[in-house]
Amino acid sequence: DAEITQSPRHKITETGRQVTLACHQTWNHNNMFWYRQDLGHGLRLIHYSYGVQDTNKGEVSDGYSVSRSNTEDLPLTLESAASSQTSVYFCASSESRQGLGNEQYFGPGTRLTVT
Amino acid sequence: SQQGEEDPQALSIQEGENATMNCSYKTSINNLQWYRQNSGRGLVHLILIRSNEREKHSGRLRVTLDTSKKSSSLLITASRAADTASYFCATRTGGYNKLIFGAGTRLAVHP
Repeated sequence: DAEITQSPRHKITETGRQVTLACHQTWNHNNMFWYRQDLGHGLRLIHYSYGVQDTNKGEVSDGYSVSRSNTEDLPLTLESAASSQTSVYFCASSESRQGLGNEQYFGPGTRLTVT
Repeated sequence: SQQGEEDPQALSIQEGENATMNCSYKTSINNLQWYRQNSGRGLVHLILIRSNEREKHSGRLRVTLDTSKKSSSLLITASRAADTASYFCATRTGGYNKLIFGAGTRLAVHP
């Protein structure tokens, strides 16, 4: 069955370190998204991609970067981790269907703690 | 800034009762979607309603959309303990494939 996975599921890192969170989907979806979830804020969009070599900034992109070298993967990199980036991170993917609704499929999340 | 705002923030009911959650949004939308999140898990898509639709059903779920009031409601009938979760509305605007999520409603259904 097609799925979307994230790794690691839990990560503790120190302030200033570079961290990369992996996201892999086997749905063959063109669209992929990264969100962070914090109490009281729901999900906020960090970066998204509509296809290979395409990346776009979301609502809270400062301090984060992504790259899309293939359809299946969209790794999220924290260039220099800060305590404010302690959060739960979700990856999602969806089809590109022009003019139609497109539900997103979510991964299980990565809980990141920056100490 | 958040597009969708859910109301109430938390809801506690008994099994068998109906649960109603509301979502308000600020700008014109292409469609509105509802998602469920069980504790410690990712979000799961429940139902999508397009801007030209007023009501949609899926099993025990009923969604309404009032574009003139920029609001939507999700009704879960005959609730079960397994419905305990957080529920989020998300809006899609224009031709973009991205969604904007609200802060969610935490639903607790007691046996």
